[in-house]
Amino acid sequence: AQTVTQSQPEMSVQEAETVTLSCTYDTSESDYYLFWYKQPPSRQMILVIRQEAYKQQNATENRFSVNFQKAAKSFSLKISDSQLGDAAMYFCAYRRKSSGDKLTFGTGTRLAVRP
Amino acid sequence: DTAVSQTPKYLVTQMGNDKSIKCEQNLGHDTMYWYKQDSKKFLKIMFSYNNKELIINETVPNRFSPKSPDKAHLNLHINSLELGDSAVYFCASSQVFSSYEQYFGPGTRLTVT
Repeated sequence: AQTVTQSQPEMSVQEAETVTLSCTYDTSESDYYLFWYKQPPSRQMILVIRQEAYKQQNATENRFSVNFQKAAKSFSLKISDSQLGDAAMYFCAYRRKSSGDKLTFGTGTRLAVRP
Repeated sequence: DTAVSQTPKYLVTQMGNDKSIKCEQNLGHDTMYWYKQDSKKFLKIMFSYNNKELIINETVPNRFSPKSPDKAHLNLHINSLELGDSAVYFCASSQVFSSYEQYFGPGTRLTVT
């Protein structure tokens, strides 16, 4: 069974600084998808960034980028120039590359941004 | 313009009651899901439907029964509610073979007293 581990329950960053959230996963599959979702206090689940396992290049979306290490099964999220609006729960998630498959989530990291 | 909508957003009810949560998506997706987020914020899949057919049924009590009248709707009916059912329930949708992203609804916070 696939598992996703987020070892940092809480993180804090100064506004405008950079923070990295960690995620590791376990799978026997060779092709799959990885995601970071953001959940602000409004509780809406918002997709931040996604990575396809067969792509070696790390995904980037504006201030958000990932460090995908397939051999180490590691998928960390880097947030640059942190903003107050980045404060939220961040969930790492895994999905097999089969049709309609579920997302398996990590336990989440609560990010606080200090003004 | 709402992509995935859920009703109601909040539901407070007493133990033993039966309640339903409705979900609708206007994205033309063919796969819909129910996830449960517990008090510790842990999210876990409950059910998945593809073209109205059940394809994922995790270990969920029989008191939970999903129903998909068509591809755009996936409802969740819960019988004999228990205190432990208190959680946030999220509906999501995706399109097989086209997008691997799942789009989430706003969630329904269910409180059982």
